[in-house]
Amino acid sequence: VQLVQSGAEVKKPGESLKISCKGSGYSFTKKWIGWVRQMPGKGLEWVGVIYPGDSDTRYSPSFQGHVTISADESITTAYLQWSSLKASDAAIYYCGRGGALDHFDSWGQGTLVTVSS
Amino acid sequence: NFMLTQPHSVSESPGKRVTISCTRSSGSIASNFVQWYQQRPGRYPTTVIYEDTQRPSGVPDRFSGSIDTSSNSASLTISGLKTEDEADYFCQSYDTTKWVFGGGTKLTVL
Repeated sequence: VQLVQSGAEVKKPGESLKISCKGSGYSFTKKWIGWVRQMPGKGLEWVGVIYPGDSDTRYSPSFQGHVTISADESITTAYLQWSSLKASDAAIYYCGRGGALDHFDSWGQGTLVTVSS
Repeated sequence: NFMLTQPHSVSESPGKRVTISCTRSSGSIASNFVQWYQQRPGRYPTTVIYEDTQRPSGVPDRFSGSIDTSSNSASLTISGLKTEDEADYFCQSYDTTKWVFGGGTKLTVL
């Protein structure tokens, strides 16, 4: 199992962004895949997950409405996107494969998102 | 809604054993599985325990997980400590519709 995330991003407040996580080495449509945020010097926060097989998507209430999680099974890639970034979105975002709905068993290397005017 | 509380930091010597606790604030610790993630400095997290007691392949058997309903807590025990075990450890569980993480414990091996 391998999860490879897109590279670091530098954006301004109000800009849009879409980061990616490509899964390989397993059946992409049969496992949940999702995102966790880690702000500088802080702990882990669950953003949400998607089941690529039927696009069932679950969000943390803290992130619902501010981000969108999607997946393209044809290229075994999951996405996390923002339509309008805030400075408070600056963090490292890790993707993970769900061992089940309730945990990750494999992790990506992380994508650093910097938001600054 | 519940919270998971971990000690901020623990320290122990190489070769010794250390236990990190994760206490659930309400509801039974046995109601939902608990996972443990290790994050070494500057690295991404890895899973060391899932479903309370299960070890992913590749994780040494020095790592073990347990739950204790009397204290409503989960524990991660690392025996035969090595300097490479120095890391932040996060517990995590599931609350009806969302994941809950503990605040993390910094393990120092000195």
